[in-house]
Amino acid sequence: EAQVTQNPRYLITVTGKKLTVTCSQNMNHEYMSWYRQDPGLGLRQIYYSMNVEVTDKGDVPEGYKVSRKEKRNFPLILESPSPNQTSLYFCASLPGGASTEAFFGQGTRLTVV
Amino acid sequence: KQEVTQIPAALSVPEGENLVLNCSFTDSAIYNLQWFRQDPGKGLTSLLLIQSSQREQTSGRLNASLDKSSGRSTLYIAASQPGDSATYLCAVIGYGGSQGNLIFGKGTKLSVKP
Repeated sequence: EAQVTQNPRYLITVTGKKLTVTCSQNMNHEYMSWYRQDPGLGLRQIYYSMNVEVTDKGDVPEGYKVSRKEKRNFPLILESPSPNQTSLYFCASLPGGASTEAFFGQGTRLTVV
Repeated sequence: KQEVTQIPAALSVPEGENLVLNCSFTDSAIYNLQWFRQDPGKGLTSLLLIQSSQREQTSGRLNASLDKSSGRSTLYIAASQPGDSATYLCAVIGYGGSQGNLIFGKGTKLSVKP
């Protein structure tokens, strides 16, 4: 089954404790990205990757890092989480090319206290 | 900068009604428009993708139309059911910005009452 898998689904952590949210897709897609969803602000892109070792900032990249060492994986790293990063996070993948359909993971609800 | 607006923000209808959700975007230079469904606390499920060269797409009781020149899309749901209750999001991918960056509207929260 074609899917985008995120882990963990839920996470509560303390300010400053480094964490990684994993994202994996089994569709051999070139393009992957991370979004955060906040009430009243909707979904906003954090980082994206057009292929292995190619990443770039989205609209709200501050406080986040990413890496793309393998085509299927695109982890989101919070080196020093802060309460304003409490949000619902989604990973997405597309086959490549802007006219293609986007597939989303089930989301990770992160709470930073 | 591309902006996507969805009206209404919330909608409550009795079961069986046909309904229309609206999505508008400010920049007509788009590759495609995609409609999603989101259940509370859950992920995004793709419903329909309309490429810029198309005018509509249909899947079951859902029909989505696209008018690029006027910057509008509508999602038509026929014979609504309580199981259709969810938030519906539209998103566009435009020529500007990062490739593959979907610009989302804030959604329409639909409640279908038995």
